[in-house]
Amino acid sequence: NAGVTQTPKFRVLKTGQSMTLLCAQDMNHEYMYWYRQDPGMGLRLIHYSVGEGTTAKGEVPDGYNVSRLKKQNFLLGLESAAPSQTSVYFCASSYGRGGRINEQFFGPGTRLTVL
Amino acid sequence: AQSVTQLGSHVSVSEGALVLLRCNYSSSVPPYLFWYVQYPNQGLQLLLKYTTGATLVKGINGFEAEFKKSETSFHLTKPSAHMSDAAEYFCAVMNPNFGNEKLTFGTGTRLTIIP
Repeated sequence: NAGVTQTPKFRVLKTGQSMTLLCAQDMNHEYMYWYRQDPGMGLRLIHYSVGEGTTAKGEVPDGYNVSRLKKQNFLLGLESAAPSQTSVYFCASSYGRGGRINEQFFGPGTRLTVL
Repeated sequence: AQSVTQLGSHVSVSEGALVLLRCNYSSSVPPYLFWYVQYPNQGLQLLLKYTTGATLVKGINGFEAEFKKSETSFHLTKPSAHMSDAAEYFCAVMNPNFGNEKLTFGTGTRLTIIP
């Protein structure tokens, strides 16, 4: 199993450009998450999904959109990138079944720089 | 609302010495608590978790943590530090009643091991 994979690993954008980050998991997990990591701020939740076709806002959703058209994929979009969106982005997934608490499995991250 | 405070953004210990990383939480309900480790340029990996039952939890790589409700703490310890323990460590809290397995992370503690 590859676990959680993220594409691309690195990206440099100019202000105003758009891009999509792709997250894929092969563990048949129900729940998926997008975080951003900034120095001194830990990880902050951007958006999450508790199932195919459903998404919800996290702590810092502004400037981002997401889609979960397939269970195994979770896409994060930046419509008009801003320098404040320079960060490392992590995707995670968890089993999501009731009755047990499931750990989140993390991808390797995408380092995004917006000039 | 739930939150996590990690005291000390940087901790240095000598090889072979005790490692103690502090985590205090705030939660309106009995929380589930997690410690994750992040090695340079990698994603997060679960070290250990507390859900219910025994308050002393053992994890991977010789780490353990004790849930102390009266102190609202979940400090991470390891009796003898190894050079390979150098990494960033994140404490996280989950509200089990939300049903979405969302984690709230602390800001992280970077552990340096002195040879």
